[in-house]
Amino acid sequence: DTEVTQTPKHLVMGMTNKKSLKCEQHMGHRAMYWYKQKAKKPPELMFVYSYEKLSINESVPSRFSPECPNSSLLNLHLHALQPEDSALYLCASSRPQGSGETQYFGPGTRLLVL
Amino acid sequence: GEDVEQSLFLSVREGDSSVINCTYTDSSSTYLYWYKQEPGAGLQLLTYIFSNMDMKQDQRLTVLLNKKDKHLSLRIADTQTGDSAIYFCAETVPGGYQKVTFGIGTKLQVIP
Repeated sequence: DTEVTQTPKHLVMGMTNKKSLKCEQHMGHRAMYWYKQKAKKPPELMFVYSYEKLSINESVPSRFSPECPNSSLLNLHLHALQPEDSALYLCASSRPQGSGETQYFGPGTRLLVL
Repeated sequence: GEDVEQSLFLSVREGDSSVINCTYTDSSSTYLYWYKQEPGAGLQLLTYIFSNMDMKQDQRLTVLLNKKDKHLSLRIADTQTGDSAIYFCAETVPGGYQKVTFGIGTKLQVIP
């Protein structure tokens, strides 16, 4: 099973809302990632968790708050977002054995901020 | 520094071969990847190659790596309409963490 699942598939939220994106994998991977992808652009790394600890934060605004409650789950809590945060949010996972381990991506959550 | 470059667009006729090219700048790249993204979907890992390999073949896909020129290519034989998608070249380099650098993506259009 090389599947990473993400919910919801689509999300529309206002700038004052609080919402969460969820990601799950059961491949035994201990590294999980959040990426943001704007239209016609490659994915941009936001956060990396390794063994449930935050190891990389690519200078992401605090209105995005990641959480890794266990080795299979990764959440991204959203609060007071801006319209420019509208994008496809991709989750990925890999084995954290140094650099270069293949990352497997979920289908993404398409977020629209009004 | 890390930089991955790809052409933006490629159009081929169904049944022909497609060749998508990529260049990278970091000679310490360890793994090089090709991902496929269909409209509205996530990234699907197609194939990858270790930096100490020259070629890898997997059914209709052939990956060629020229380390001297830092050039990577993906050849799709007998291209089908279902191959229409954006193809991302990506690399990782040693650095103690799992950072993948993506190219801008090549949009492949297959004409029936």
